[in-house]
Amino acid sequence: TQLLEQSPQFLSIQEGENLTVYCNSSSVFSSLQWYRQEPGEGPVLLVTVVTGGEVKKLKRLTFQFGDARKDSSLHITAAQPGDTGLYLCAGVGSGGGADGLTFGKGTHLIIQP
Amino acid sequence: GAGVSQSPRYKVAKRGQDVALRCDPISGHVSLFWYQQALGQGPEFLTYFQNEAQLDKSGLPSDRFFAERPEGSVSTLKIQRTQQEDSAVYLCASSFLTGNTGELFFGEGSRLTVL
Repeated sequence: TQLLEQSPQFLSIQEGENLTVYCNSSSVFSSLQWYRQEPGEGPVLLVTVVTGGEVKKLKRLTFQFGDARKDSSLHITAAQPGDTGLYLCAGVGSGGGADGLTFGKGTHLIIQP
Repeated sequence: GAGVSQSPRYKVAKRGQDVALRCDPISGHVSLFWYQQALGQGPEFLTYFQNEAQLDKSGLPSDRFFAERPEGSVSTLKIQRTQQEDSAVYLCASSFLTGNTGELFFGEGSRLTVL
């Protein structure tokens, strides 16, 4: 089983601050996805990173895939209350296959006005 | 509708009862996944269908769990003789692509509470 460790587990900051959350594994992934989930809803895909060292930006969100394709980070600039939610990373195994994504336990993010 | 639809949204069952959870994926999506999400945790894989074929059921926690997708569209997750540890949100996701390489579109989930 390929495990993904996310940190921090919980984060509460003030509006306007910057933050970074991490997703780490000892396993190599062919790609990694970040999802955001709000209470009572299903996860919604934010981004997929495929190439080691890849950086993708989505407005105030910056996603980076580690060179070795074992870890990833999500940086949010000038956080807004609307960024509040559960951020999940999910790895696609190097072997491919149909066994589904491996999800981390998530980072619960609260942005206080 | 345009998205993945799950029903019921909420289900309360007495321990020992059987439950059936339905997933209506996005039309034309080949792949369908079921996940179990415990409170405050990330989703955990249960099973995967490619059209009507159940290609992977390695995540089903016990033989009380059964899933089907007989016509390659709607899927049902059945849990027999429910136990308290079965309490969780059950998420269904579909994808246009085969396997897990494409974007997964999730439903809102079915929250099961076993008393």
